[in-house]
Amino acid sequence: DAGVTQSPTHLIKTRGQHVTLRCSPISGHKSVSWYQQVLGQGPQFIFQYYEKEERGRGNFPDRFSARQFPNYSSELNVNALLLGDSALYLCASSLEWGYSNQPQHFGDGTRLSIL
Amino acid sequence: AQSVTQLGSHVSVSEGALVLLRCNYSSSVPPYLFWYVQYPNQGLQLLLKYTSAATLVKGINGFEAEFKKSETSFHLTKPSAHMSDAAEYFCAVSDRGAGGTSYGKLTFGQGTILTVHP
Repeated sequence: DAGVTQSPTHLIKTRGQHVTLRCSPISGHKSVSWYQQVLGQGPQFIFQYYEKEERGRGNFPDRFSARQFPNYSSELNVNALLLGDSALYLCASSLEWGYSNQPQHFGDGTRLSIL
Repeated sequence: AQSVTQLGSHVSVSEGALVLLRCNYSSSVPPYLFWYVQYPNQGLQLLLKYTSAATLVKGINGFEAEFKKSETSFHLTKPSAHMSDAAEYFCAVSDRGAGGTSYGKLTFGQGTILTVHP
C-alpha cells in the first residue's frame, strides 16, 4: 500500500513569492496534519484537517493556510515567502480525528528553499 | 502546555553496544508518547508508541521504551546497536483536548542524532 505522498520533493523560491505544497494521505486515512521542520530542529505543528475542516492550528502567521479536499488530500499554501520559511514541510495522516493514541504516518516531505 | 526534552543532541556508540536515548516529558494529563526515527532526506517513521497500556513498549527494529510516570521519562533503548540504526530520533507527546478529544498535535523534542561506530 502506498504511504503518504508529497509533491514536489524539492522547491526553490525567492522572497515574496507564493508556494503550494501537496499531500495525499494513506488510503482510508481521513485526517491530515502539516509540520514545518527547520534544519537542526524537531518538527513544529502547523495545521490539522479532518473532513475538510480545520481542527487545529499551530503558532504560525496568517501567511500560512491549508485546505483539505473531498478525497482527503490536502494543500499547504504559504504567501509572501520569507527566508525563514526555508524548511522541510512534512505531511502526516491518521485514520480519524479525536483519538490521541493514533499514530501519525509521515511522508518524506517537501524541501523548500527560499533565496 | 505539553513539552518534551531530549537530553543529548548527539549520542555515539560502538556497534553492538547498548543504545540509550533520553526523553522527558511535561504534561498536565496522562500523556500519549511516541518515538520516531528520521533517516537522511526522509520523513519520520514510527518506532513505537505508549498509550497507557503496558509501561514497557516494544517497537520495530529491536527498540523498546519504558514509561516511568514518577520520573516523567520515556527513554528509548536497544540492547545492541547496528550500523543501520544511525539516524536522528525524535520523542513526541500527543496533545489531548478536553473531553478526550484531540487536536492531533504532536509536540516534538529537538531530536538526538545517533552515530554508530564500527
